[in-house]
Amino acid sequence: EVQLVESGGGLIQPGGSLRLSCAASGFTVSSNFMSWVRQAPGRGLEWVSIIYSGGGTYYADSVRGRFTLSRDDSKNTLYLQMNSLRAEDTAVYYCAKDRSLAAVGLNDAFDIWGQGTMLTVSS
Amino acid sequence: DIQMTQSPSTLSASVGDRVTITCRASQSISSWLAWYQQKPGKAPKLLIYKASSLESGVPSRFSGSGSGTEFTVTISSLQPDDFATYYCQQYVSYPRTFGQGTKVEIK
Repeated sequence: EVQLVESGGGLIQPGGSLRLSCAASGFTVSSNFMSWVRQAPGRGLEWVSIIYSGGGTYYADSVRGRFTLSRDDSKNTLYLQMNSLRAEDTAVYYCAKDRSLAAVGLNDAFDIWGQGTMLTVSS
Repeated sequence: DIQMTQSPSTLSASVGDRVTITCRASQSISSWLAWYQQKPGKAPKLLIYKASSLESGVPSRFSGSGSGTEFTVTISSLQPDDFATYYCQQYVSYPRTFGQGTKVEIK
């Protein structure tokens, strides 16, 4: 079964750091474009970051310079390192997989999502 | 950034109704548009990709249309399981922006 499972969320003080994980099964993360999407309480969806099959990354302006997306191919797992956290980073964080294989070379819709992990930034 | 605007924000409808939600992009995105359904406390679920292609396993009462800057998703006969929030998303460029969502409520 194709599945994504996020972990690592919690309560952190402003200015702190946290690392989220997204473990994949049923497919190879390095063969797909993989993203993180977040949703603040009661709000809509916000795309955060992407990692390409070659390992390159891209970030939303709101997190660029503070968040780092990486991948461990041996563990088939993504990591989102979040530094200098702010109250406005409070959200459920989802990892999501593009429909198409990276070899196709095109962006695609997100066909598989994890269940999400909650990050709360508060003193 | 490409802005995605959905209308209406909330829609009240009854079981059996035909429902249409509109999504407008601030610039042309060709057909690089997806629709998602989200229920409270759950992850979004892909319904439509490339503006009009139905994702595997999604009921045929869902359909998508449009290209360029204006898109719609239609539910031909609303079912109890369809009461949820719907989001459009463009994936032609970064950031991959979402619409603000349309909540479909029971009338």
